[in-house]
Formats: sequence, structure tokens, C-alpha cells
Amino acid sequence: EVQLVESGGGLIQPGGSLRLSCAASGFTVSSNYMSWVRQAPGKGLDWVSVIYTGGSTYYADSVKGRFTISRDNSKNTLYLQMNSLRAEDTAVYYCARGYGYFQDWGQGTLVTVSS
Amino acid sequence: EIVMTQSPATLSVSPGERASLSCRASQSVGSNLAWYQQKPGQVPRLLIDGASTRAAGIPARFSGSGSGTEFTLTISSLQSEDFAVYYCQQYNNWPPWTFGQGTKVEIK
Repeated sequence: EVQLVESGGGLIQPGGSLRLSCAASGFTVSSNYMSWVRQAPGKGLDWVSVIYTGGSTYYADSVKGRFTISRDNSKNTLYLQMNSLRAEDTAVYYCARGYGYFQDWGQGTLVTVSS
Repeated sequence: EIVMTQSPATLSVSPGERASLSCRASQSVGSNLAWYQQKPGQVPRLLIDGASTRAAGIPARFSGSGSGTEFTLTISSLQSEDFAVYYCQQYNNWPPWTFGQGTKVEIK
């Protein structure tokens, strides 16, 4: 059974940093396209970043230069390093598996950026 | 970036009735379109990929149609568990993947 479990969210001040983790089971992270998708409170879904099987990474313009996606193959875990956080980054962050569309989602972790 | 526009924003439907949700792309996405359902406090769930292929375990009352720039999600006979927000997403030109803003299906 495929399972994705995010962690690492919390309350952080503007300008601060946070690292999110997504522990996967039932499949191999490095053999799949893995993304982060976020959802601001009461808003829609917004793609954030992807890491391809070959290791290439891409970002939404809104987070480029501030966020870094990575994975640890030995831990079968996906990460999102978030720096220079802004109030507008406040959202539930989901990790998701899929090439094109997202077939599996984690339960999400809430990041709140506020002073 | 391809912009996805869903309509209406809210759809009021009585249980047992048919619901049709629309999704329009700013340029052609072929059949590379997915639909998701999200209930309050829950994770998005994949319903449809390839514009018309139901994901595993999705009831037959959900159907998708369209290609190019115009797409429709139809729920043939709404059940109580179908009241939720529905999102379309294109995966023809990526990154970035882009979602519509959602259509809320509420009880009339």
C-alpha cells in the first residue's frame, strides 16, 4: 500500500526557514516523479516543486530561489527546504506522487508564517 | 503557463440530480487533464485522468469528457458523499502543473 507521511510544518516568523519531510512507503521515491503541492487556507491547489527520477528539479516562480526540493534515497524520503518564508507561503503542504497527474497524496502539513 | 478556468464557482444540486462541471484551458492541453475531488478537511483524491479515464475505485457515476480546451466532469446522480470541491489540472505543458480554482458542489 502506498503511503506518504509529511512532517515538519509549524509556526515560523517571516524570513525564517523550515524543512518539510515526506516519508514514503509502498514504492520507491527515486523511481517516481515527486512533487510538493500547497493549499492556502480556504484556497485552491498550487503546485510548488518537482523532482524527476533523474534528479532534475523545477519550481514555481513564486518560490524559485527560496525553496529547494531534494530526496534521500536511503530513507525513501522527500524534502522541501523553505527559506526566506513569507506570509503568502502559509498553506498546507502536500507531497504527491505522479508523472503528470498526482495519483497519491500525503495528508499534508500546515506551515504558518506569521510574526 | 496554461491557465485553467472552472465554472461555475459553486453548483447547487439536489441529491439524485445530475451535475456538470466545466473546465477550460487557455490553450490546448490535448487529453492531458485530470479531475480531483476534495472533501472538507481531506486530501485531494484523483478521480479522472486522460480527460475521461476513471482512477481505480472511482464509481461509474463520475465521467469525464472533452479535449483541447474544453472539458466536463459529470456526476450522473449525486450522492451525499459527492458534495465536495472539484479541481481540474492540466499536465500537457509542465512544469508548471496548473489547477483550476475549483468548483464547489453543494446541497440544494
